[in-house]
Amino acid sequence: DTEVTQTPKHLVMGMTNKKSLKCEQHMGHRAMYWYKQKAKKPPELMFVYSYEKLSINESVPSRFSPECPNSSLLNLHLHALQPEDSALYLCASSLGLAGDNEQFFGPGTRLTVL
Amino acid sequence: EDQVTQSPEALRLQEGESSSLNCSYTVSGLRGLFWYRQDPGKGPEFLFTLYSAGEEKEKERLKATLTKKESFLHITAPKPEDSATYLCAVQAVGNNRLAFGKGNQVVVIP
Repeated sequence: DTEVTQTPKHLVMGMTNKKSLKCEQHMGHRAMYWYKQKAKKPPELMFVYSYEKLSINESVPSRFSPECPNSSLLNLHLHALQPEDSALYLCASSLGLAGDNEQFFGPGTRLTVL
Repeated sequence: EDQVTQSPEALRLQEGESSSLNCSYTVSGLRGLFWYRQDPGKGPEFLFTLYSAGEEKEKERLKATLTKKESFLHITAPKPEDSATYLCAVQAVGNNRLAFGKGNQVVVIP
């Protein structure tokens, strides 16, 4: 099973709302990632967790707050977002952080900030 | 800095018309090169990993090859369902990040 699931599929929120994106995998992977993707652009890395600890934060604004409750789950908490944060948010996982571990992506959450 | 350049940016093919996509890369030491397929509004789907020059991998109508400077994704006798954006990414030794190219957008016309 090479499936990464993400909920919700679509999310519309106002600039004052608080919402969360969820990601789950049951492949025994120990590295999990959040990416942001704008239309016709490649994915941009936001955060990396390794063994449930934050390993990389790509200078992401604090209105995005990641959380890794356990080895299978990854959340992205959203607060006071801006319209320019509208994008496809992708979760991915890999066996580890070594370069020979392929990243498997979820279907994404399409976020619209009004 | 690791760099990945994909060409052509967009490609229209007739069904059955074979072609190749190019991914040129500059990296201090290659740990792995990855090909993904992405349909509009969906997450990238993993296709192949290549590790060393001379390596080749195949899956249905797709074949990926690797040299020291570039990778090719050959599409043989494409079908309309092969229409997608194909993303190339590299990971350097000692770097936990993937460097993505901008993608090759392929449209296969029946």
